[in-house]
Amino acid sequence: QQQVKQSPQSLIVQKGGISIINCAYENTAFDYFPWYQQFPGKGPALLIAIRPDVSEKKEGRFTISFNKSAKQFSLHIMDSQPGDSATYFCAASTPGNMLTFGGGTRLMVKP
Amino acid sequence: EPEVTQTPSHQVTQMGQEVILRCVPISNHLYFYWYRQILGQKVEFLVSFYNNEISEKSEIFDDQFSVERPDGSNFTLKIRSTKLEDSAMYFCASKWGSNTGELFFGEGSRLTVL
Repeated sequence: QQQVKQSPQSLIVQKGGISIINCAYENTAFDYFPWYQQFPGKGPALLIAIRPDVSEKKEGRFTISFNKSAKQFSLHIMDSQPGDSATYFCAASTPGNMLTFGGGTRLMVKP
Repeated sequence: EPEVTQTPSHQVTQMGQEVILRCVPISNHLYFYWYRQILGQKVEFLVSFYNNEISEKSEIFDDQFSVERPDGSNFTLKIRSTKLEDSAMYFCASKWGSNTGELFFGEGSRLTVL
């Protein structure tokens, strides 16, 4: 029940396109849903996060859409750029507890 | 910008040897974590630490693992007798509060067990 399932495992998008990564969870006690971006050889860095009281959060080109009833959330990267090429992890946590990460999506944005 | 720093960046060790990975969390943070990432796989929780004691640990964190905050600034992960399957990137992370979301990760320590 602690699992977070992420798809796709890899994604290739043309420059300027929209990248969409999806995550699903089972534990209804999760109340914090961040997305992390990881470049090779680096640690994960927080990109954007949402709590279940809102259905969407936008920061620049990055948007999280959250569907509480379906227990799904997704990351949309608008106008994708080659510099966005990285591995993206969704995660979830219950109050005060550790993050459970999804399996990761390797995004490549082709110029 | 404050950051979590980890040493060493890469350590190669023989199976059965003890390894200590070191972390300096962000100075006003109170909650400390170790995660690991086997090459190409997801980031997995190992242990969380608050108020000088372990608050939560995963099934990966068995008796071979221990954590310590020896001097109020460093936060260490010790693996007593390394196994081949301990080869991974180990990430230290910290955050200020229990329910404040952002977890800051270090750049990781790559452990290679031969």
